[in-house]
Amino acid sequence: QVQLQESGPGLVKPSGTLSLTCAASGGSISTSNWWTWVRQPPGKGLEWIGEIYHGGSTNYNSSLKSRVGISLDKSKNEFSLNLNSVTAADTAVYYCARSTSFYDSTNYYYYMDVWGKGTTVTVSS
Amino acid sequence: SSELTQDPAVSVALGQTVRITCQGDTLRNYYATWYQQKPGQAPILVIYAKNNRPSGIPDRFSGSNSGNTASLTITGAQAEDEADYYCNSRDSSGTHVVFGGGTKLTVL
Repeated sequence: QVQLQESGPGLVKPSGTLSLTCAASGGSISTSNWWTWVRQPPGKGLEWIGEIYHGGSTNYNSSLKSRVGISLDKSKNEFSLNLNSVTAADTAVYYCARSTSFYDSTNYYYYMDVWGKGTTVTVSS
Repeated sequence: SSELTQDPAVSVALGQTVRITCQGDTLRNYYATWYQQKPGQAPILVIYAKNNRPSGIPDRFSGSNSGNTASLTITGAQAEDEADYYCNSRDSSGTHVVFGGGTKLTVL
């Protein structure tokens, strides 16, 4: 069973770039899945950031689209998140996850079945 | 604002049945997925693809969809079920993902 582990700086300065990596172990990221980033500000709910398909297609949260980029490195079996021009509002726990999306001729389904443990990123000078 | 709406908080007596709901137009096309999150922990998947439970999730958890409303039912709630529960699906465009605001479940 694949496991995911986030890594990256825990502190980023305002106006800087937040860069995180999610390393997959126990399985390959070259599968028919979406590889996803989700964040959770302190005391708040979950917010979808964006996703990348194993073939390289990406989708991003409209509210973050101008600042976010997600990439895939199959050789390292990992995917990454870059979020630029950060402010205090970007302070959150950031999670990576594996997502599946499919259609069975009657309904569409989407779920995130594997999650990393999360990493806390604080934006502060 | 979220395209999926959940009640902020629900309570249930120990051993009783509780239903947590999620409303949104996208649920007419997408079956909702449900996650449980306990303090300081990552979310875990509890119900997906209609009414499937991952390995390790007790069978007291079940899910259903009707029209624009999805429900997570816990039959015989246990103290360890006290947590935040989030619903999730793709949005109406099919290219974005949405979460409900979360429901805090208290087991009395």
